[in-house]
Amino acid sequence: AQSVTQLDSHVSVSEGTPVLLRCNYSSSYSPSLFWYVQHPNKGLQLLLKYTSAATLVKGINGFEAEFKKSETSFHLTKPSAHMSDAAEYFCVVSDPVANFNKFYFGSGTKLNVKP
Amino acid sequence: NAGVTQTPKFQVLKTGQSMTLQCAQDMNHEYMSWYRQDPGMGLRLIHYSVGAGITDQGEVPNGYNVSRSTTEDFPLRLLSAAPSQTSVYFCASSYSIGTGLYGYTFGSGTRLTVV
Repeated sequence: AQSVTQLDSHVSVSEGTPVLLRCNYSSSYSPSLFWYVQHPNKGLQLLLKYTSAATLVKGINGFEAEFKKSETSFHLTKPSAHMSDAAEYFCVVSDPVANFNKFYFGSGTKLNVKP
Repeated sequence: NAGVTQTPKFQVLKTGQSMTLQCAQDMNHEYMSWYRQDPGMGLRLIHYSVGAGITDQGEVPNGYNVSRSTTEDFPLRLLSAAPSQTSVYFCASSYSIGTGLYGYTFGSGTRLTVV
């Protein structure tokens, strides 16, 4: 079965400093992995996705994630945080076997950006 | 604008009442799904549909019914509301991103409170 563990429920950084949001996954197969962002009282927006092409994936708003199979990790990074990055971030693994491609969500990481 | 439209955005129900959350998409996506979001638990799949007339259960289907009579619409019915169903509900439609892989477009959510 697929599962996702987001290692930090809250992360706090200062504006202009790097962001690291950690995600580990469990999958019986080669997974598809996603990061979604949710701003307060908003829906979910796709940041980036990994679908077995390049292991370093670039997304919107300067975010990147690196797929490391040996570590079963898909950590999200950004070189310099902006106040507008304050939001909740979800790591998601997609079950590639099921007909439907079910999504399995991590519990989320809330990013706080201090001025 | 194309996308996934959910109504209502907010709803308060009394225990035992029934209601239907509406979801419509205009992108001609085959797959649609309903998730609920609870603090610290990410999003959990309630029901999904792989096409008109075909639905199946997700992780947490109890207390909910769905039907899919058209490609565009996928309503979620609460049969007899309970306080445990207080949550934010997201509808999503799925699109292909290549070779059996799918991404999701989410609606903006319905915030439901059961008192």
